[in-house]
Amino acid sequence: GDSVTQMEGPVTLSEEAFLTINCTYTATGYPSLFWYVQYPGEGLQLLLKATKADDKGSNKGFEATYRKETTSFHLEKGSVQVSDSAVYFCALIHQGGSEKLVFGKGTKLTVNP
Amino acid sequence: DTAVSQTPKYLVTQMGNDKSIKCEQNLGHDTMYWYKQDSKKFLKIMFSYNNKELIINETVPNRFSPKSPDKAHLNLHINSLELGDSAVYFCASRGAAGGLYNEQFFGPGTRLTVL
Repeated sequence: GDSVTQMEGPVTLSEEAFLTINCTYTATGYPSLFWYVQYPGEGLQLLLKATKADDKGSNKGFEATYRKETTSFHLEKGSVQVSDSAVYFCALIHQGGSEKLVFGKGTKLTVNP
Repeated sequence: DTAVSQTPKYLVTQMGNDKSIKCEQNLGHDTMYWYKQDSKKFLKIMFSYNNKELIINETVPNRFSPKSPDKAHLNLHINSLELGDSAVYFCASRGAAGGLYNEQFFGPGTRLTVL
């Protein structure tokens, strides 16, 4: 079945450091890919998405590119802030299929001032 | 206005009790979901309803029974609560199926603690 693998956390960075959170997936066909963010004590919010190969999703300084050849969707940000501290989830969904999101296990990011 | 709301936010109860969690969305969406997030933050889908019809039922114990009185509401009833049911339960909703844009909007979660 479909699955998503994220790098193990937690990740601790200093403010203004470069962030990469790796995400790879296993799926048949061409799923849509997402990054969701969960701030402390809150629900999940969509951070960015990509629906086909070579698409780049971006939002709030975060970026991720849908790489079909490596089945990856790594999340990057050039300069993190304390307010980026959260848990980040990579996820996929098949269009027109069961319509269920399959999540990675989440990566906790802590940014120190 | 909250798009997807859940009540209660916190629920503490004894083993063996029966409890319900309610979810409402005001987005006019057709599809609603329940997800369970365990203590390690792992998220897994439990159920999905489309226009009040069950379309996804993962391998969830039959002590868990979703109920959708209308397409804006999806409630989760749990019988005979067990310690392992302690988790955060998230409700989510999504617009019409078949489109390229499949964003799901999540509620704030209900933290269930079974003692």
